[in-house]
Amino acid sequence: SQKIEQNSEALNIQEGKTATLTCNYTNYSPAYLQWYRQDPGRGPVFLLLIRENEKEKRKERLKVTFDTTLKQSLFHITASQPADSATYLCALGVPYGQNFVFGPGTRLSVLP
Amino acid sequence: DSGVTQTPKHLITATGQRVTLRCSPRSGDLSVYWYQQSLDQGLQFLIQYYNGEERAKGNILERFSAQQFPDLHSELNLSSLELGDSALYFCASSVADSGSWTQYFGPGTRLLVL
Repeated sequence: SQKIEQNSEALNIQEGKTATLTCNYTNYSPAYLQWYRQDPGRGPVFLLLIRENEKEKRKERLKVTFDTTLKQSLFHITASQPADSATYLCALGVPYGQNFVFGPGTRLSVLP
Repeated sequence: DSGVTQTPKHLITATGQRVTLRCSPRSGDLSVYWYQQSLDQGLQFLIQYYNGEERAKGNILERFSAQQFPDLHSELNLSSLELGDSALYFCASSVADSGSWTQYFGPGTRLLVL
């Protein structure tokens, strides 16, 4: 069956360190993978998109990798700050006319 | 502010009742998605419309229905409500209907069924 997993429900790290979040999927063939940030009680906010033919994408302190062989994406936040504390969701983009699927999310807490 | 608006922000109703949630997409976006988010289920895709036509269906119950109007706003109708329907309902919009396009989420409607 199709499944998306994100490494853990919650991740605590110290301010200044690099946070690494994992998104694994099975029985999907996504053409795109997106990462979103969600704060409590609010809608998800888009962060980065990576295509299946791209290995890595960067935006400021954020970096995403996409390994279609391992069926895995890694999301890194470098020099993390308490303001980065939120839930991070990965989402698989499939071709036209099909579902857009979100993972369960990882709640990141950056401790001062 | 994503540019997507949802009304109402909060809704409290009783079991067995029917409610309508409304969404206005960002200007220029043709695609509207509806999601349900509860504490134990995460963000669940319900249904997608593109330029007035149903494009994709997820885990949407038969008691739920949606439509997208010519002005591109969308409504999600929930009927015969049960306690388990209590959740945050999000609408999102995007320019097109493939997974390559960013989805912009509205602030959500918090539904409480008593």
